[in-house]
Amino acid sequence: QVQLQESGPGLLKPSETLSLTCSVSGDSIGSYYWTWIRQAPGKGLEWIGCLYYSGSTNYNPSLKSRVTISVDTSKNQFSLKLTSVTAADTAVYYCAKVGGVVAAPRAWFDPWGQGTLVTVSS
Amino acid sequence: QSVLTQPTSASGTPGQRVTISCSGSSSNIGNNYVYWYQQLPPTAPKLLIYRNNQRPSGVPDRFSGSKSGTSASLAISGLRSEDEADYYCAVLDDSLSGPVFGGGTKLTVL
Repeated sequence: QVQLQESGPGLLKPSETLSLTCSVSGDSIGSYYWTWIRQAPGKGLEWIGCLYYSGSTNYNPSLKSRVTISVDTSKNQFSLKLTSVTAADTAVYYCAKVGGVVAAPRAWFDPWGQGTLVTVSS
Repeated sequence: QSVLTQPTSASGTPGQRVTISCSGSSSNIGNNYVYWYQQLPPTAPKLLIYRNNQRPSGVPDRFSGSKSGTSASLAISGLRSEDEADYYCAVLDDSLSGPVFGGGTKLTVL
């Protein structure tokens, strides 16, 4: 069964770049869409963006100018970069697989990684 | 302000049936499949319903989803204490070209 694990620094200063990696095990990253979602403390879920294994991406318009999602098929990993972070970017960041037999951007996320807390503070 | 509107809270007693609504528009719920997620803090969300009314294997049939027009609902029958969690609806929004989530509903089992 597919398992996802996020990794990356847990503490950043304002204006720095957030970099997280999602390692996928139990399945090939090929032929699927993969996504990043975040949840600020005590708040709801926010979709950040998704990526197809070929490298094609879709981003949340509210974050698009600061976000890059990329893939490393050789390592079966995909990554998130978010530039110029502020305290508003403090959140638990989740990676997830986009479901469905035919690969397409959807609101179907299964499974999810356990999430990693990123705190932005000076 | 979320594109999808959910009640912030819901409650019920053990054994009862509760429903959680999710209201959207023609650019999201009206034209795409709805998904529901259960989150037991502090864990990651878990897929509960996909494609409006389908349950993944392992999800009890006490959980059911429905959609009508630009609204959707999640129903939980035979409420149990372990159902106390946050519930989120999600759908692809054609105007935003990406998925959107409802604000979430905190379910309390009294």
